[in-house]
Amino acid sequence: QVQLVESGGGVVQPGGSLRLSCAASGFTFSSYGMHWVRQAPGKGLEWVAFIRYDGSNKYYADSVKGRFTISRDNSKNTLYLQMNSLRAEDTAVYYCAKSSGSGSYLGYWGQGTLVTVSS
Amino acid sequence: QSALTQPASVSGSPGQSITISCTGTSSDVGSYNLVSWYQQHPGKAPKLMIYEGSKRPSGVSNRFSGSKSGNTASLTISGLQAEDEADYYCCSYAGSSSWVFGGGTKLTVL
Repeated sequence: QVQLVESGGGVVQPGGSLRLSCAASGFTFSSYGMHWVRQAPGKGLEWVAFIRYDGSNKYYADSVKGRFTISRDNSKNTLYLQMNSLRAEDTAVYYCAKSSGSGSYLGYWGQGTLVTVSS
Repeated sequence: QSALTQPASVSGSPGQSITISCTGTSSDVGSYNLVSWYQQHPGKAPKLMIYEGSKRPSGVSNRFSGSKSGNTASLTISGLQAEDEADYYCCSYAGSSSWVFGGGTKLTVL
């Protein structure tokens, strides 16, 4: 069965950096695009970034463009999100999600990891 | 990349039907038949309920159905059950490999 396990969350000061990881299992990781989606405390879901199956193309929400970098290591079945210049408004639970084969929806989600940006 | 518009809350009694709307624009919902719906219970990860507008993944009850008209998509839950009480989010492909979510709707089963 598909499993996605995020890690790397924690407390970081404004302006700081953090790298999130998402370990994937139960499917052929190298064949699927992957997403990061976040949810601020008590708020709704916000799409953050998407990477194609081979890492050839990466796409970002305007709110994180230039500060966050999505990447993947298909040899390790792991997705990453490098977050730089963090702001208070980046405080959220960050979920990784597996794209469908057609790329049209987010089929499976991890349990999320909490990032808190605070001094 | 403005969020899709959903009602903040809806409610219904067990056995009744409810519909949650999701209004976007001609750049997202109106341009693509790629709306998906997610159910989220408190403290849990979202779960896919409907994809490509009206398709149900394996294992999702046929009490859940989706539709679209113009720039508005809808999720209907029939035969409401207590376990359906959750937050529901719509999501649409918005072109150029970007996605946009709705603000979420809290469903209360009375």
